[in-house]
Parts: sequence; C-alpha cells; structure tokens
Amino acid sequence: GENVEQHPSTLSVQEGDSAVIKCTYSDSASNYFPWYKQELGKGPQLIIDIRSNVGEKKDQRIAVTLNKTAKHFSLHITETQPEDSAVYFCAASKSGNTPLVFGKGTRLSVIA
Amino acid sequence: DGGITQSPKYLFRKEGQNVTLSCEQNLNHDAMYWYRQDPGQGLRLIYYSQIVNDFQKGDIAEGYSVSREKKESFPLTVTSAQKNPTAFYLCASSIGTGQYEQYFGPGTRLTVT
Repeated sequence: GENVEQHPSTLSVQEGDSAVIKCTYSDSASNYFPWYKQELGKGPQLIIDIRSNVGEKKDQRIAVTLNKTAKHFSLHITETQPEDSAVYFCAASKSGNTPLVFGKGTRLSVIA
Repeated sequence: DGGITQSPKYLFRKEGQNVTLSCEQNLNHDAMYWYRQDPGQGLRLIYYSQIVNDFQKGDIAEGYSVSREKKESFPLTVTSAQKNPTAFYLCASSIGTGQYEQYFGPGTRLTVT
C-alpha cells in the first residue's frame, strides 16, 4: 500500500522567513495530494491540495509543488506569521474510493 | 451551524472496559472516518464508512468496532482487546471517499488507566 514520509518532524523559523515541508510517496498511482493544518486543540483543516496534472499551485502565502517523477511534493509558506504555528500533515491518495494516507506531521513554530 | 461534533472532549476509563466515542455530522456527507493520533505517529486510519450500513477496516482496526446505522452518525467503540487505547481520536467526514476534502471534528482524548 501507499507510504507517505514527511520531513522534517519539527521546524522553527523566524517570523517573516519562509518554511518548507517535504513529503515523499511510494505509490506511483497516487494522484491527489492535500495538505492539512492542525492548530492546538483542534482537528486538522485542509489548506491546499494539488492533483497530478499540475506541478504547482498557489494560494496567497501558501504554495505546493509536485514532482511526479521523483514522487515528492512540498508545502511552501512565505512571510511566515505567528498564526502559522501549527502541525502540518501531507497526504496522498489515488483515484477511486481509496482513503487518504497521511504523513506523520511537521510541527512548525514561527518565532516572533 | 454545519459541522462535525465529537463528544465528550475528554474521556477516562478503567482498563478492561469498553468505551464508545460519539461522532455526528450534519453536512450530509456519505463518507465518515475514524483516526487515531499519537505523538509523532500522524493520523492513522482505524475504520471508514462510504455509505450507511457499510464500513471497512483501516490500518489499525484491531481492538476497535464501528457501526453506521444512520448517515449522520459513526460511533467508535474501543474494546478491552485494544492493547494501548490511550490516545487522541479524530472523526472526519467527506462528500465521498478518496479525493474529497475531509472535515474533522475537534477530537476526543481517551485516557485508560
């Protein structure tokens, strides 16, 4: 089955700097890659996703890139703010009714 | 207000007791999921249901059971057979299984002593 590896497990950045979180997946049939953000005491929430027919997607300060050949995808957060501090999860799935497979998460701390 | 509710937020049980965690959604979603979250382990799928009266095992189903008698409800029972039940449990729902946004509840922290 699918295996998703996520790095780093923790990340600290200064406010205003950029943060990058990377994930690799094992199943070349996977074609949907969402990113979820989990704030303290809450359930995760979708922040951005990408499908395998595109290589990059942006939404304001957040972007996701996908390299299908290398089977990895990354989350980029620019101009980080304290409210970006949270745990971020990547996930992957393939077409059909197969559920998402999540990475182990990255705890991002933005230091003011 | 549309969303997913989980109750209670904190739950304490003695070892050897079964315990049922509640999950309700009013989003009219067909699919529902249960995840277990442990520190450093990410979100691990316990069970999921694509439609009423149907459910499938996830990666760590042993020691757990579910039912899906109503579209809105997907309760999870943690049985005494679960060797390490203390964890944070998250319920989610989506329009369909697979490549749809999942909406998560606030979670239930279960402590078994």
